[in-house]
Amino acid sequence: EVRLVESGGGLVQPGGSLRLSCVASGFTFNDHYMDWVRQAPGKGLEWVGRIRNKADSYTTEYAASVRGRFTISRDDSDNSLYLQMNSLKTEDTAVYYCIRGLNGNDKNWFDPRGQGTLVTVSS
Amino acid sequence: DIQMTQSPSTLSASVGDRVTITCRASQSISSWLAWYQQKPGKAPKLLIYKASSLERGVPSRFSGSGSGTEFTLTISSLQPDDFATYYCQHYDSYPLTFGGGTKMEIK
Repeated sequence: EVRLVESGGGLVQPGGSLRLSCVASGFTFNDHYMDWVRQAPGKGLEWVGRIRNKADSYTTEYAASVRGRFTISRDDSDNSLYLQMNSLKTEDTAVYYCIRGLNGNDKNWFDPRGQGTLVTVSS
Repeated sequence: DIQMTQSPSTLSASVGDRVTITCRASQSISSWLAWYQQKPGKAPKLLIYKASSLERGVPSRFSGSGSGTEFTLTISSLQPDDFATYYCQHYDSYPLTFGGGTKMEIK
């Protein structure tokens, strides 16, 4: 069974940092592109960013709203995905979902399996 | 950036109804479109990918169609479990973007 378990969310002050983690199981993690998607309270879904697999050099893409502040990384030896969030703003408050990409290239659709982790940015 | 516009934003329907949600892209995305269902407090669930391919395990009452800039999600006979919010999403180019969502309500 495919599982994605996010952790690391919590309350942080504006300007602070937080690191989210996601542990994957039930599939060959290192084959897949992985994404982060977020959802502000009562709002729609917003793509945050993507990290490609080793075959595609672990390169990354980001939404403009987080570029330069957020960094996505992965550790294939641990089946883990990370989201380092710096210079946090109140508008970053959201549930963050770790998502497996399906199709193995940039034309990936999402296979959401995690429960998400809530990040609250507030003073 | 490619903008995704869903309509309607809210849809009131009854069990057994045939319902259609529309998603329009601001430029052509070929068939690089997915549909998701989300229930309160839960992660989204993949329903349709490549505009019309049904994800394994999703009931056949769900179907998708379209290409280019106009797409539809149809539920042929609405079931109680289908009352949820539906999102379209393109994956043609970066940034990936979602439609604003369609909330399916019980009439």
